[in-house]
Amino acid sequence: KAGVTQTPRYLIKTRGQQVTLSCSPISGHRSVSWYQQTPGQGLQFLFEYFSETQRNKGNFPGRFSGRQFSNSRSEMNVSTLELGDSALYLCASSLGGPSSGSHSSYNEQFFGPGTRLTVL
Amino acid sequence: QKEVEQNSGPLSVPEGAIASLNCTYSDRVSQSFFWYRQYSGKSPELIMSIYSNGDKEDGRFTAQLNKASQYVSLLIRDSQPSDSATYLCAVSNNRLAFGKGNQVVVIP
Repeated sequence: KAGVTQTPRYLIKTRGQQVTLSCSPISGHRSVSWYQQTPGQGLQFLFEYFSETQRNKGNFPGRFSGRQFSNSRSEMNVSTLELGDSALYLCASSLGGPSSGSHSSYNEQFFGPGTRLTVL
Repeated sequence: QKEVEQNSGPLSVPEGAIASLNCTYSDRVSQSFFWYRQYSGKSPELIMSIYSNGDKEDGRFTAQLNKASQYVSLLIRDSQPSDSATYLCAVSNNRLAFGKGNQVVVIP
């Protein structure tokens, strides 16, 4: 079974631009979560989508948004890029249970290779 | 208080020894607990999940969970140079929260 794929793998943008990142989950997985990873802050949760609905959201400004399509593929958009947005953006997919906090292997998350975003 | 804390600094262990990693979490209602391994320049890889108190063994890895003490640990037996990586503890309630990770260096 193919793993999680993310495109593009690398991006260089300038301040003020916007960017769209794409994530294709493992076949059959309905939940996609997005994370930002930086050396200083570690892995920080951005948001989770399940069945095309945002189910959870982290503490990031509104410049960060996402969506999920009917085939479970997800996109993340960052508008008005800032230097501090330079990071590795990771998506993770899971089967997704009725509740994202449920005691279940349905919520085991598998990560894609990430998109390395550099903002100049 | 941070949601998930991994306080130990880099851990150097000789090949064949046991590496022990610890993690504490703040949300008492957390239901699911995971350990991820991340090699430099790569994305995290799920190596263990544990949902109930006690030990869970998978090959050379053993995860231990104590919900009363809000404590999760990972033991790596017979450590190999290929185990050299950063290990991330993750705790799930309604979303997955990660610790900052512990770097493990296995010395041949």
